[in-house]
Amino acid sequence: KQEVTQIPAALSVPEGENLVLNCSFTDSAIYNLQWFRQDPGKGLTSLLLIQSSQREQTSGRLNASLDKSSGRSTLYIAASQPGDSATYLCAAELSGTYKYIFGTGTRLKVLA
Amino acid sequence: KAGVTQTPRYLIKTRGQQVTLSCSPISGHRSVSWYQQTPGQGLQFLFEYFSETQRNKGNFPGRFSGRQFSNSRSEMNVSTLELGDSALYLCASSLEGQDYGYTFGSGTRLTVV
Repeated sequence: KQEVTQIPAALSVPEGENLVLNCSFTDSAIYNLQWFRQDPGKGLTSLLLIQSSQREQTSGRLNASLDKSSGRSTLYIAASQPGDSATYLCAAELSGTYKYIFGTGTRLKVLA
Repeated sequence: KAGVTQTPRYLIKTRGQQVTLSCSPISGHRSVSWYQQTPGQGLQFLFEYFSETQRNKGNFPGRFSGRQFSNSRSEMNVSTLELGDSALYLCASSLEGQDYGYTFGSGTRLTVV
């Protein structure tokens, strides 16, 4: 059974810091992994999708990597800003299941 | 380009009633998924539809059901509501699922009293 874990559960950093959020999964046969952010009471905003044949994706200040053999993905946020404050969720999909298994999220607070 | 639209945004229902939630996917997307989000259980998969066929179903009781129409719009229904059904229900659409990732709507907040 696929399980997805995110560490840390919460993180508070001063503005301008570079930070790394971690996502671990138990089944290395994942197909895709997608990172989302969620603001309080809102839906999910897609940040980055790493498809099965890829190992890394970048968008602006965000970089996500995927290492299937070690069961890990990391989301790197450069030069953090107060507007980055949100909960970050990773979601893994096994081939042919058409469903995501979500991690429990990392709640990030960036202090001005 | 319009995103995923969920209606209504908020609902308050009484125990024992039933409720229907609606989801309109991004134009051209044929896959629609539903998730339940609660503080205790996080995000859990309910079901996924593609071209009106359910391809997968999560571990929820039979009170939870869904369907997809020929225009890809989807509805989910919960019958005999329980207090524990109070949650944020999120719909996601994808071109075909798998390789294309998923785009989520803003959700429907259901409160059962």
